[in-house]
Amino acid sequence: QQQVKQSPQSLIVQKGGISIINCAYENTAFDYFPWYQQFPGKGPALLIAIRPDVSEKKEGRFTISFNKSAKQFSLHIMDSQPGDSATYFCAASLFRGDDKIIFGKGTRLHILP
Amino acid sequence: GAGVSQSPSNKVTEKGKDVELRCDPISGHTALYWYRQRLGQGLEFLIYFQGNSAPDKSGLPSDRFSAERTGESVSTLTIQRTQQEDSAVYLCASSPGGSINQPQHFGDGTRLSIL
Repeated sequence: QQQVKQSPQSLIVQKGGISIINCAYENTAFDYFPWYQQFPGKGPALLIAIRPDVSEKKEGRFTISFNKSAKQFSLHIMDSQPGDSATYFCAASLFRGDDKIIFGKGTRLHILP
Repeated sequence: GAGVSQSPSNKVTEKGKDVELRCDPISGHTALYWYRQRLGQGLEFLIYFQGNSAPDKSGLPSDRFSAERTGESVSTLTIQRTQQEDSAVYLCASSPGGSINQPQHFGDGTRLSIL
């Protein structure tokens, strides 16, 4: 119940295209869904996050779509650029006083120039 | 800068040796986390600190792994009698703690290689 399942494992997109990464969760008590971006040799960095009381959040070219009934959420990267090439992790957290975050296994995104 | 700092950035050691990895969290952050990331893999939770206490040690893979935190600041992760399967990047993160939905801020990790 604590897992977050992420797909695909890797993704190749042409420059200018839309990159889509999907995640699914089981525990309906999760109340915060962040996405992290990680470049080689660096630690993950928070990219964008959503709470289950909204169905979509957009920040620049990055959009999270959230489907509470299906227990799924996805990251869309519009007009994908070579600089977006990185590993993306979806995550979910359940406030129990420890802010423990459950991470998906990551998606390696490569944007072709 | 004022981010999470980890040292050393790289560590190569022989099998059977002990290693200590250090994490300096963002000043004022009460929550601190350690993760392990094997090559090309996701983030494996190891341990969580709230202040100097570790209420969740559930992710430590064996009794060769231990961690402590002092002064609600610096934390060290110690691996005794290292094995080749311990080779990975060890990441530390901190968050303000004490309230809901606080994002974690990660350091760049220590890349540990066991020969």
